[in-house]
Amino acid sequence: DSGVTQTPKHLITATGQRVTLRCSPRSGDLSVYWYQQSLDQGLQFLIQYYNGEERAKGNILERFSAQQFPDLHSELNLSSLELGDSALYFCASSTSRTGGSAGELFFGEGSRLTVL
Amino acid sequence: AQTVTQSQPEMSVQEAETVTLSCTYDTSESNYYLFWYKQPPSRQMILVIRQEAYKQQNATENRFSVNFQKAAKSFSLKISDSQLGDTAMYFCAFMKHGRQAGTALIFGKGTTLSVSS
Repeated sequence: DSGVTQTPKHLITATGQRVTLRCSPRSGDLSVYWYQQSLDQGLQFLIQYYNGEERAKGNILERFSAQQFPDLHSELNLSSLELGDSALYFCASSTSRTGGSAGELFFGEGSRLTVL
Repeated sequence: AQTVTQSQPEMSVQEAETVTLSCTYDTSESNYYLFWYKQPPSRQMILVIRQEAYKQQNATENRFSVNFQKAAKSFSLKISDSQLGDTAMYFCAFMKHGRQAGTALIFGKGTTLSVSS
């Protein structure tokens, strides 16, 4: 158990809909990262937050947005969903802006999104 | 931009044997971390081993060791005495080190390892 909690574990929805994925980082971790894992694109970095502020942005679509709240949990919002958004979405956390004490990230179990 | 390449999509090995997974990366940074993560069928991403680029000594964690060749930008993972539980997808990953305003792990495409009895 990494200590990172993601909900829901599975989600099935239709095209055009909007969903919210939630992540609770490990106790004490200030950084939260979101990744998308699909069969054709592999693991893609989406966005990073540190102590409530956006720190880095990767290949995140404009239809997607995220935020980190004062209690440090984070939400990833996906809107106007398309079939190609079906993927496993991972949240990871670390203690600092630049990874853990030796750069490591701790991953949750992921949220499996299926868009029909 | 940094890139990570894993040239072996799939590999297989018998129990108790040794297998080596390859990884190369491209960066202009001098200070960085390298990692191997394991993703078993449960899909949990598990850290296997890490290496700081400034350390010349190769990292070792029990049956797992790396061969880090900084000049060649190569970072291979050796699994000794393979076990059925090692069956998983293995990802090589890179992270810049330092006080940059935001860093993230950059992953390779992964290598699926199957261990058979």
